[in-house]
Amino acid sequence: KNEVEQSPQNLTAQEGEFITINCSYSVGISALHWLQQHPGGGIVSLFMLSSGKKKHGRLIATINIQEKHSSLHITASHPRDSAVYICAVEYPDKLIFGTGTRLQVFP
Amino acid sequence: ETGVTQSPTHLIKTRGQQVTLRCSSQSGHNTVSWYQQALGQGPQFIFQYYREEENGRGNFPPRFSGLQFPNYSSELNVNALELDDSALYLCASSLDHYEQYFGPGTRLTVT
Repeated sequence: KNEVEQSPQNLTAQEGEFITINCSYSVGISALHWLQQHPGGGIVSLFMLSSGKKKHGRLIATINIQEKHSSLHITASHPRDSAVYICAVEYPDKLIFGTGTRLQVFP
Repeated sequence: ETGVTQSPTHLIKTRGQQVTLRCSSQSGHNTVSWYQQALGQGPQFIFQYYREEENGRGNFPPRFSGLQFPNYSSELNVNALELDDSALYLCASSLDHYEQYFGPGTRLTVT
């Protein structure tokens, strides 16, 4: 069993839809990261969370430490949001990554 | 303030050769982590350097080695390349152990 599980693996949406991507992990962590990776490889850090909720523009990330679960929400999705979204959990000396959720938003 | 940069962007090597990949940290950062991302997979942690010392290592063989310089830039060296080493290699820098900032990656192809 992977230490970090993401769902769904693939997601398609129409422009304007509300998107939710989920991440579950198996052991206690110091923080959780949500990352965005576009074709070609570049990774952008979206959020780092250790508790509660963070919001940046149309993106919202939440974490429930007790349930070892985090969600990334995208409101009013847009085709430029199409990318792979990766959840990564942080231990003192490393990040463990999920396999990512491939999101495609169609006009 | 410059971001994290990596060189080269792309590289093709032959099985058995050695390769050195480079990473320049974001200004002010003292920690560099290296990750290997095979096609269709999430990144896998290789190792982390903090203030020029190795500070953690993932499940990679000793032919994967690294170095961090006094200016906190870093190198990843891979000896005796194997076909399965073909991947995108990502480095990320941070200040101490806070939020990591990723470079664009080096795509290595081993033939």
